[in-house]
Amino acid sequence: DAKTTQPTSMDCAEGRAANLPCNHSTISGNEYVYWYRQIHSQGPQYIIHGLKNNETNEMASLIITEDRKSSTLILPHATLRDTAVYYCIVRVWGAGANSKLTFGKGITLSVRP
Amino acid sequence: GAGVSQSPSNKVTEKGKDVELRCDPISGHTALYWYRQRLGQGLEFLIYFQGNSAPDKSGLPSDRFSAERTGESVSTLTIQRTQQEDSAVYLCASSLDPGMNTEAFFGQGTRLTVV
Repeated sequence: DAKTTQPTSMDCAEGRAANLPCNHSTISGNEYVYWYRQIHSQGPQYIIHGLKNNETNEMASLIITEDRKSSTLILPHATLRDTAVYYCIVRVWGAGANSKLTFGKGITLSVRP
Repeated sequence: GAGVSQSPSNKVTEKGKDVELRCDPISGHTALYWYRQRLGQGLEFLIYFQGNSAPDKSGLPSDRFSAERTGESVSTLTIQRTQQEDSAVYLCASSLDPGMNTEAFFGQGTRLTVV
């Protein structure tokens, strides 16, 4: 029942921007887009989330299209430590069963030297 | 440490034995999740505790799996009569707000091996 579609893998050069795409064409008006990542042998780590406006924090930027059917996570200057599986998740804002975090298969980002 | 703590970090058990996995969430966090991650696979939702509401148990794979949480404190995940297919990393996460709308913090997981 995955609500998002991501490529299986991608790579980028160290120091360059990594642009990770995500399709969520069936997103509802009350669903947010979240990104988490999981570095090998560690628990997932929250990156960023947004509803419709672009968001930026110290880790990344999130660009959401105007129709909200897709988004892109941007790591502006990728480092080797950014090599991880990145999960794009859509979920309802609020409490209750519908708001639980459901992880798909994610995209494996490999940053090469 | 102020993070989510899970114990043990590794557990090897014989098939048929019961195991208990522990999660200490960040103090004050009302929401708590358990996930299972098999080798090379994604995260599989197991159960979700949200404050004082009834837990969402919809992800538990069989009646051999159960979990408890007392108030907003520690949670235990129990697997009875373990099978080899139960071998996985079991991850716990907690969040400050009941709906986990803001950041969820994950522990390092318990690696369970059933032999």
